[in-house]
Amino acid sequence: EVQLVQSGAEVKKSGESLRISCKNSGYSFTSYWIAWVRQMPGKGLEWMGIISPADSDTRYSPSFQGQVTISVDKSINTAYLQWNSLKASDTAMYYCARRRQTGPYRYYFDYWGQGTPVTVSS
Amino acid sequence: QSVLTQPPSVSGAPGQRVTISCTGSSSNIGAGYDVNWYQQIPGTAPKFLIYGNSNRPSGVPARFSGSKSGTSASLAITGLQAEDEADYYCQSYDTSSNWVFGGGTKLTVL
Repeated sequence: EVQLVQSGAEVKKSGESLRISCKNSGYSFTSYWIAWVRQMPGKGLEWMGIISPADSDTRYSPSFQGQVTISVDKSINTAYLQWNSLKASDTAMYYCARRRQTGPYRYYFDYWGQGTPVTVSS
Repeated sequence: QSVLTQPPSVSGAPGQRVTISCTGSSSNIGAGYDVNWYQQIPGTAPKFLIYGNSNRPSGVPARFSGSKSGTSASLAITGLQAEDEADYYCQSYDTSSNWVFGGGTKLTVL
């Protein structure tokens, strides 16, 4: 059974660093890219970036480039989302999702983690 | 402001049919990229509903269907049920922004 299990809720202060995780099981981790998606309170889904666990090739949304870092440790089938200096505006739910590809430029996100809520106080 | 535009809300009575539109541009839907749809019940993670414009994964009822034409796509739900009350998001690929989502549509079952 495919599972993406994310780390637990975080409460931080502005300026602190943070890394949240997404542990994958039930499939070949290096065969599917993993994306991160933000959902601010009461708002919609925003694609942040995506990484290939096979070679760590990473793409970022222009809105998040330079604001976060996405990485993987394929020895433990885990993807990460990291901030060096949090802001109150980073308060949101963060989801990881597996990208499935069915053809050239034919993608969708088929399995999602349960979400990690991050609260940043100023 | 989302790259893909959806109505903020739609509603319908049980048993009725509702549609949710998703309007893009020549850099995403109009460029021929697939549209996918996700359902998010409040307090839970999104679940994928329709992929490749009109394909239903196993387990998704046939009441849900998707279509695409030009720079737009639609999700139709027939035989509306109370359990369909949720937020629905369209998603596509964009040549400048990579993966993009619509702003989401809240479906209320009256």
